[in-house]
Amino acid sequence: GDSVTQMEGPVTLSEEAFLTINCTYTATGYPSLFWYVQYPGEGLQLLLKATKADDKGSNKGFEATYRKETTSFHLEKGSVQVSDSAVYFCALFQGGSEKLVFGKGTKLTVNP
Amino acid sequence: DVKVTQSSRYLVKRTGEKVFLECVQDMDHENMFWYRQDPGLGLRLIYFSYDVKMKEKGDIPEGYSVSREKKERFSLILESASTNQTSMYLCASSLASGLGNSPLHFGNGTRLTVT
Repeated sequence: GDSVTQMEGPVTLSEEAFLTINCTYTATGYPSLFWYVQYPGEGLQLLLKATKADDKGSNKGFEATYRKETTSFHLEKGSVQVSDSAVYFCALFQGGSEKLVFGKGTKLTVNP
Repeated sequence: DVKVTQSSRYLVKRTGEKVFLECVQDMDHENMFWYRQDPGLGLRLIYFSYDVKMKEKGDIPEGYSVSREKKERFSLILESASTNQTSMYLCASSLASGLGNSPLHFGNGTRLTVT
């Protein structure tokens, strides 16, 4: 079945460092891809998405590009802030249903 | 803004009790979902619903049931709570797009402890 694999955390960075969180997927067809973020004590919220190959999703300084050839959707940010500390989930939309398949999440801590 | 409200933030129940987790959304979304979140396992889908009185099993439905009598409300029921059901439970809703373009909106979660 469809699946998502994220790099294992936790990831600890200093403020203004460059962030990459790797995400690869296995799916039939061409799924839509998402990054969700969970801030401490809250539910998940959509960060960005891409619905077809070579699309780039972006929001709040974060970017991810849908790479069909490498089945990847890596999350990047050029300069992280303390307020970016959260758990990040990569997900894909499972075609033929309304369901999302999530990766296991990567916890990011940014220190001042 | 879409609001998904889970009735309890924290719950402590005893083994064998019947437990109800309630979720209400205010944006007339067709789809509603229940996930559980555990360290190292991420989010796992328990049940979901496409419409009133409709329900579908997710990946881990054993030990759970659901009820959707009204469009805005989706209840998760633990028939006989066990300690391995201690977890964070997240409710979510979305519009029915069929195209993967409609994001999920999540509640803040209910942390259930079964003793």
